[in-house]
Amino acid sequence: QKEVEQDPGPLSVPEGAIVSLNCTYSNSAFQYFMWYRQYSRKGPELLMYTYSSGNKEDGRFTAQVDKSSKYISLFIRDSQPSDSATYLCAMRYSGGSNYKLTFGKGTLLTVNP
Amino acid sequence: DTAVSQTPKYLVTQMGNDKSIKCEQNLGHDTMYWYKQDSKKFLKIMFSYNNKELIINETVPNRFSPKSPDKAHLNLHINSLELGDSAVYFCASSPPGGGSGELFFGEGSRLTVL
Repeated sequence: QKEVEQDPGPLSVPEGAIVSLNCTYSNSAFQYFMWYRQYSRKGPELLMYTYSSGNKEDGRFTAQVDKSSKYISLFIRDSQPSDSATYLCAMRYSGGSNYKLTFGKGTLLTVNP
Repeated sequence: DTAVSQTPKYLVTQMGNDKSIKCEQNLGHDTMYWYKQDSKKFLKIMFSYNNKELIINETVPNRFSPKSPDKAHLNLHINSLELGDSAVYFCASSPPGGGSGELFFGEGSRLTVL
């Protein structure tokens, strides 16, 4: 079993739809949970970050972490064509001065106008 | 000003050749990384340097040799290239201390081995 599982999609939705992206993980030692967005032919960029369990909202984006179920989600409200990208979940342990992130395989999202 | 810059962006080469990728960051970060992204978009860490010192060395063939001349630069040299080395190689950096764990990625160097 891989440490982080993510459905690669592809996922295609109409503009304005609510998008739900998910990852599951096996290692309960993960404490920091992130979502990165990667546009085609570009490097990933951090979208959302959450420490431990809970919700975090930033504009149209909401990140949720359920550590008891080892499950994290990213919701995108009122999706826009500009949201079309690959979304990668990532997580890491607590402590240390380095950031050894373990990534999911990414979900390719297309928002159609 | 590009924060993390990699050169070259594209590399096409024959099996058995040796190639290098250079990375520079102007963010003042202490830690730099090399990640490999395969054709299925799976992003996996290869190496990490903190202030020129190697701190992460994942299970990577010793044909791959990173080098950090100073904390703003991290280069990757690959000897005896194989078909399976074809991938996009991303350089990244991160600020010191704890926090969000944000990595700042370059735009990637796309390596194709024929």
